[in-house]
Amino acid sequence: NAGVTQTPKFQVLKTGQSMTLQCAQDMNHNSMYWYRQDPGMGLRLIYYSASEGTTDKGEVPNGYNVSRLNKREFSLRLESAAPSQTSVYFCASSEFRAGGDTQYFGPGTRLTVL
Amino acid sequence: AQKITQTQPGMFVQEKEAVTLDCTYDTSDPSYGLFWYKQPSSGEMIFLIYQGSYDQQNATEGRYSLNFQKARKSANLVISASQLGDSAMYFCAMREAGSGGGADGLTFGKGTHLIIQP
Repeated sequence: NAGVTQTPKFQVLKTGQSMTLQCAQDMNHNSMYWYRQDPGMGLRLIYYSASEGTTDKGEVPNGYNVSRLNKREFSLRLESAAPSQTSVYFCASSEFRAGGDTQYFGPGTRLTVL
Repeated sequence: AQKITQTQPGMFVQEKEAVTLDCTYDTSDPSYGLFWYKQPSSGEMIFLIYQGSYDQQNATEGRYSLNFQKARKSANLVISASQLGDSAMYFCAMREAGSGGGADGLTFGKGTHLIIQP
C-alpha cells in the first residue's frame, strides 16, 4: 500500500518548456488535489477533483491544467513553464465525509524553471 | 484577510518541555475542520490531528492535542514532552464546507518552525 505517489521527484525546465506531473493513489479516495509550496509559505491549492470526471480551480490555477484520468490518477500540466512556477508541488487525496477527513500527501516534486 | 494565521515564525524549546503552537482562523462557515500537519526537513507532509467545528471535546492523538477555543477562533497545537524528532515546520490548515461540500481543499497558514534543543 504505497499511499500517494508522485513522479518525478525533481525536475529542471527552461522557460517555455512543458511538462506533466503525475500523481496516483491506491487508497480508493474520491477526492484529489494539487498544491504548490513556495519558500516560507504554506501550501496553496492549484486544482482539485472532488470525484472522477470533475475538476475545479483552486486559489492559484493560472498557468496550469489538470486531468483526472481515472479514480487513481490526477495529473498536473504546465503548458509553458515560467520562473514563477518554481516551487514544490504536492499531490494529495482524501475521502471526504461529514465526520471529518484527512488529506494524505505525496512526497512532492521539486520543480525549478530557469 | 488571512484565513489561517500562525503568529510564531520560529520557536526554540528545550527537550521534554511542552510546546504550544498558535493558530487562529477566520471563517463564517458554521461547518469546518481544522488540521495540523508536520513537515520535517525531508519535505513530506505528515498529518497530526483533526478537529471538527462541531466536536465538543478537544482532539488528542498521542502526544498531540488540539486546544480548540471556538469563540476565539483559535486552534492551538500542544505537544507534550517534546522530543528532538519534533523539530520541523508545523502547519495549521482549515477546510470549510462551503459550496464544494468540503472537497475543495485546505487553506494553510504560513507555518511555525519548531526547533527542539537538547
